[in-house]
Amino acid sequence: GAGVSQTPSNKVTEKGKYVELRCDPISGHTALYWYRQSLGQGPEFLIYFQGTGAADDSGLPNDRFFAVRPEGSVSTLKIQRTERGDSAVYLCASSLTRDNKETQYFGPGTRLLVL
Amino acid sequence: QKEVEQDPGPLSVPEGAIVSLNCTYSNSAFQYFMWYRQYSRKGPELLMYTYSSGNKEDGRFTAQVDKSSKYISLFIRDSQPSDSATYLCAISPYSGAGSYQLTFGKGTKLSVIP
Repeated sequence: GAGVSQTPSNKVTEKGKYVELRCDPISGHTALYWYRQSLGQGPEFLIYFQGTGAADDSGLPNDRFFAVRPEGSVSTLKIQRTERGDSAVYLCASSLTRDNKETQYFGPGTRLLVL
Repeated sequence: QKEVEQDPGPLSVPEGAIVSLNCTYSNSAFQYFMWYRQYSRKGPELLMYTYSSGNKEDGRFTAQVDKSSKYISLFIRDSQPSDSATYLCAISPYSGAGSYQLTFGKGTKLSVIP
């Protein structure tokens, strides 16, 4: 079946602009996660959704970052007033449930470059 | 000190060699250990996971956990050029709040030379 998909695959924007990154999880997966992977680093947790609600947004770096999952499926990560330091690969993952024994399946990521 | 330390390499080996990849972690609350493989410009994919100390084998891959030393390893036997990728260790608490939050190492970039 289809895996996690993310769009766009690449996004170039200018400092100060607003961007939206989209994630389509695997059908039927209730848990959805966003991670950020900077160059030469491992992914870092940003936010976790169980269904429609953000159950844990403790990894969001500041209030310029926000994510939604209005119907419990597709999620959008929104970044306001982008800064050069926001340049990274933004990874989305989904799992059947939040149980950590369930595999988190990752999408290919959106490569964000802020000029 | 970061919660998970992993030597980023790069590591270059000849085809057929045994590869050893390692991570150390600092928090004994971490009880669930994973290895992910990430090809260039792709998302990480789960290779192996384990909850307990000792060895777990899957084909050419062996995951080893030593909780007393807070040390985890991944061994690849008979390495192939297709194994060339970045290998990420990941850990999480076994249960409870935040158990879904994976904490990753930096990743080790492996090249297997034909």
